[in-house]
Parts: sequence; C-alpha cells; structure tokens
Amino acid sequence: AQTVTQSQPEMSVQEAETVTLSCTYDTSENNYYLFWYKQPPSRQMILVIRQEAYKQQNATENRFSVNFQKAAKSFSLKISDSQLGDTAMYFCAFMNDGNKLVFGAGTILRVKS
Amino acid sequence: KAGVTQTPRYLIKTRGQQVTLSCSPISGHRSVSWYQQTPGQGLQFLFEYFSETQRNKGNFPGRFSGRQFSNSRSEMNVSTLELGDSALYLCASSSLGWGSGNTIYFGEGSWLTVV
Repeated sequence: AQTVTQSQPEMSVQEAETVTLSCTYDTSENNYYLFWYKQPPSRQMILVIRQEAYKQQNATENRFSVNFQKAAKSFSLKISDSQLGDTAMYFCAFMNDGNKLVFGAGTILRVKS
Repeated sequence: KAGVTQTPRYLIKTRGQQVTLSCSPISGHRSVSWYQQTPGQGLQFLFEYFSETQRNKGNFPGRFSGRQFSNSRSEMNVSTLELGDSALYLCASSSLGWGSGNTIYFGEGSWLTVV
C-alpha cells in the first residue's frame, strides 16, 4: 500500500519570504501522480499543483513550484514570495489507482506579517 | 461553472441514528469520490463512483455506503452512527473516470457531529 509522509507538522514564514514543505512517499509503482492541496480555515480543499511521475520537469504554478525527486521518492513544495493568504494546511497526495488520493498528515503553514 | 456542492453543510445526529449526505459534482463530471477527515486519522478515502458503479472502496466498515445516480449526483449513508463518525466528509469530482492522474475538485464538506 502506498503511504505519504509529511514530516513537518507546522511551519512559519515571514511575508514575502520563501518556504519549502517536505513530502516523501512510498510506492512500488512506476507510473503515478502527485499533488499538493491547500486547505484554508474554510476547509475547502484547493489544488495547488500537480506532477506526473513520468515527467522529469518539475511542475510550476506561479509562486508555487515542486522539487520532484523520483528516485528518492520525494516531492517538496516551494512557495515563493509568501503571502498572508497562503496561511493554510497543506496536504501532499499520491494517486495511481483510479481517482483515489492517498494523503499525508498535512503541514500547517503560518505566514506572518 | 458551479463547483462541487455538498448538502447539508452541518448536521448533528445521535448515536445509533443514520445519516445521508448528498453531493452534486461539477457539471459534466462523472466520477465522484468521498473522503472522511478527522483530527486523529486525517484524510481517508471512503469510496469512488463512476457511471453509477462503485469503482474503488477504502477500508471502512459496511455501515458506510454510497451510491451514484444517473445524473452523477452521489449520496453516502452511514448507519448506526458512532461517536467516532464525527468528521468532515468531503466529496470530490473528476471529469475523467478511467485511468488515473485526473484532477480532483473538492466540495466544501459536510460537518457531521454525533452526540
């Protein structure tokens, strides 16, 4: 069974600074997909970024980018120019079985002014 | 385009009762899945439906069930409620059914409190 580990329960960053959230996963599969979701206090899960394992190029969405290391089974999220609105719980997720997402425990990110 | 809509948003039930939660996916989406979120267990996959068929099921007891209608709307039911069933139940939809890697869109969730 696939597992996803987020080793940082909480993190803080100053506004406008850069922060990196860590995620590792365990799988024996070769083809899979990885996601980062953001869950603000409203609890609405919002897709931040998506990575296809067969693509070596790291995905980027505006201020959000990932560092995907397939051999190391690592998938970290970098947030540049952090904004107060980035304060949320961030979940790393794995998918390779239909539309089933396996989530990590989450990292609470607090952006301070 | 409207997002994933879940009803009711909040509800309180008594132990032993049953509850039905409803989910309307994004228009055109045929895949609907359900997740349970609790402080202790985190986010856990319940089940997924595609074209009225359950395609995948998580590790939950038989008290948890679901179904999908021909218009892709889905319901999940929990019978004989236990205190531990108190959770945020999230519904999600996807435009593609077969294969994997599809982008999953979530609703705002239904908060269930069992007393």
